[in-house]
Amino acid sequence: KQEVTQIPAALSVPEGENLVLNCSFTDSAIYNLQWFRQDPGKGLTSLLLIQSSQREQTSGRLNASLDKSSGRSTLYIAASQPGDSATYLCAVKVGTGTASKLTFGTGTRLQVTL
Amino acid sequence: NAGVTQTPKFRVLKTGQSMTLLCAQDMNHEYMYWYRQDPGMGLRLIHYSVGEGTTAKGEVPDGYNVSRLKKQNFLLGLESAAPSQTSVYFCASSYSLAGVQETQYFGPGTRLLVL
Repeated sequence: KQEVTQIPAALSVPEGENLVLNCSFTDSAIYNLQWFRQDPGKGLTSLLLIQSSQREQTSGRLNASLDKSSGRSTLYIAASQPGDSATYLCAVKVGTGTASKLTFGTGTRLQVTL
Repeated sequence: NAGVTQTPKFRVLKTGQSMTLLCAQDMNHEYMYWYRQDPGMGLRLIHYSVGEGTTAKGEVPDGYNVSRLKKQNFLLGLESAAPSQTSVYFCASSYSLAGVQETQYFGPGTRLLVL
C-alpha cells in the first residue's frame, strides 16, 4: 500500500528565507506527483505537477523536484513571503485511467513571519 | 466559471440523522471524487465517478453512498450519521485527456459535525 509522509509537520520561518518541504513515498511505481496548497478553511489548489519521467517543475518562486527511485520529492520556496503561509500537501498518483488514485500526505503547515 | 462548488459549507447532525452533500462543477469534467480530511490522516478517497451514471468505491466507502445522475453533479449521502463521520469533506473533479486524468480541482469543503 502506498504511503506518503511529509516532514516536517510544521515549519515557521522569517520572511525572505528560502525553504524546503519534503515528501517521501513508499512505492516508487508512481504515475505523477503533485504539490497542493491549502489555506485554512479552504480547498486545495494545485501548485505543481511532476510526471514520473520528469525531474523537476518550476512555477515562479516554487520549484519541485522528484527522485522516483528513492521515493522523494522536495518543494523549494524561494524568498518566502507571509502570503505563502498555508499547509502544503503532496500527493502521488498510482495507476492509470479509471484505476488511478491519488494518495495524499498529511501536509506541512508553513508560517512565514514578518 | 465557478469551478467546483459544495453545498452546504457547514452542518451539524445528530447521530442517526441523514443528509446529502452536493458537489457541482461547471468545467464539463468527466471524473469526480469525494474525499474526507481528518487531522493527522491526510485526504482519503470515499467514492469516485468516472462518468455520468457510474460510481465506484474508494478507500473508505463504508457508511456513505453516492450518485451521479448528471455529469455536473456528484452527491454524497450519509444514511445514518455517526460521530466517526465528523470530518471535512472535499469534492474534486478532473478531466481525461487521451485516457489520462489530469490534475484535480477541489471545492472549498463541507465541515460536518455529528453529535
